[in-house]
Amino acid sequence: QSVLTQPPSVSGTPGQRVTISCSGSSSNIGSNYVYWYQQLPGSAPKFFIYRTNQRPSGVPDRFSGSKSGTSASLAISGLRSEDEAVYYCAAWDDSLSGSHVVFGGGTKLTVL
Amino acid sequence: QVQLRESGPGLLRPSQTLSLTCTVSGGAITTGGYYWTWIRQHPGKGLEWIGYIYYTGNTHYNPSLKSRATISVDESRNQFSLKLRSVTAADTAVYYCARSLSSSPPLLWGQGTTVTVSS
Repeated sequence: QSVLTQPPSVSGTPGQRVTISCSGSSSNIGSNYVYWYQQLPGSAPKFFIYRTNQRPSGVPDRFSGSKSGTSASLAISGLRSEDEAVYYCAAWDDSLSGSHVVFGGGTKLTVL
Repeated sequence: QVQLRESGPGLLRPSQTLSLTCTVSGGAITTGGYYWTWIRQHPGKGLEWIGYIYYTGNTHYNPSLKSRATISVDESRNQFSLKLRSVTAADTAVYYCARSLSSSPPLLWGQGTTVTVSS
């Protein structure tokens, strides 16, 4: 059971805009930056969004991140076939039991 | 460009100690501001943060693994390592090493290495 909650799957057609949600709590998303990763089959995760809404160089501006309260979202516009992957959200968690990084369970994006 | 590569045994028996090493190339492990991190991914499942270490030796662990995990750093070899004691089948996973900033999820990841625990 992941600390951050993501939908198991989302889908869209080429050119469409899709969003992937990530729900947490005040100890993680509510008080810390959110990171998003893309994982292609057989590969390591690659960070796509850092500090909630920042894109590293090389990531298309079709990808954007946002946060409101204890929830975050990754939006992908102009959907392309190569965007098909599993996306994970992550955040630092200031848990009373000990702070650490927590991840979402991952969302499989299918481009129809 | 900094790259990370994991190495270590791929098969362990229950109760053994898992030992993995991450070799950092293209940059010094003593570069200030970076925390050297271990994460794992169970088969077909999500990601679990194990912990990280600063080059000075300061460590921080996931509370769920703190009792069994030890992360260490070897500046002379530009490597850092993970030891996980008393493994069970539940420790079967792909183990990744990574580089992070303080109190943050990782940014740069290694390619991962598969560890299977089976009798």
